[in-house]
Amino acid sequence: AQKVTQAQTEISVVEKEDVTLDCVYETRDTTYYLFWYKQPPSGELVFLIRRNSFDEQNEISGRYSWNFQKSTSSFNFTITASQVVDSAVYFCALSEARGTSYGKLTFGQGTILTVHP
Amino acid sequence: DAGVTQSPTHLIKTRGQQVTLRCSPISGHKSVSWYQQVLGQGPQFIFQYYEKEERGRGNFPDRFSARQFPNYSSELNVNALLLGDSALYLCASSYQTGQGVAGANVLTFGAGSRLTVL
Repeated sequence: AQKVTQAQTEISVVEKEDVTLDCVYETRDTTYYLFWYKQPPSGELVFLIRRNSFDEQNEISGRYSWNFQKSTSSFNFTITASQVVDSAVYFCALSEARGTSYGKLTFGQGTILTVHP
Repeated sequence: DAGVTQSPTHLIKTRGQQVTLRCSPISGHKSVSWYQQVLGQGPQFIFQYYEKEERGRGNFPDRFSARQFPNYSSELNVNALLLGDSALYLCASSYQTGQGVAGANVLTFGAGSRLTVL
């Protein structure tokens, strides 16, 4: 069975601070995919990144960066110089890499990020 | 292009009633997945449909059912509503076929249908 744990329920920072959201996962699969989604108050989940289990290269996209460490089963997300617009709930998710399972994501509980001006 | 659209956006039902939620995927997307998100929790997978066939089912009772139409839109039905069914129901669509391991599909989510059961 797959499991995703986001131990940080809520994080509060002041604008321009850096913040890291933790994600730890469990899976028996050797091939899998990891995701981060953002859920603003409107409720719609917004895709941020997908990472293949084969690729442990870290990725940076603007103020966002992701650290994937297979050895510790972690896929952490860092926002540099946070802004008020970053305030949202962030979800880490995992999917199997099988043909019949690609539409099924296992989500963590989410981390509520509040960025204060 | 329009994103994933869901209707209704909000609805209130009483225990024992039945509800139908609707989802229109992004044009060209053949796969639709349904998720339930209870307040304060992450989304839970309910169903996945591709080409009108069920391709996956989560740990939900038989009161939950779904179908996909030839135009790839989908409906989620919940019978005999319970208070615990109150949640945000999210629909997501994706493009790839699901056959083989050729890339994980990136799910694009709609804004959801918020169901309140009284």
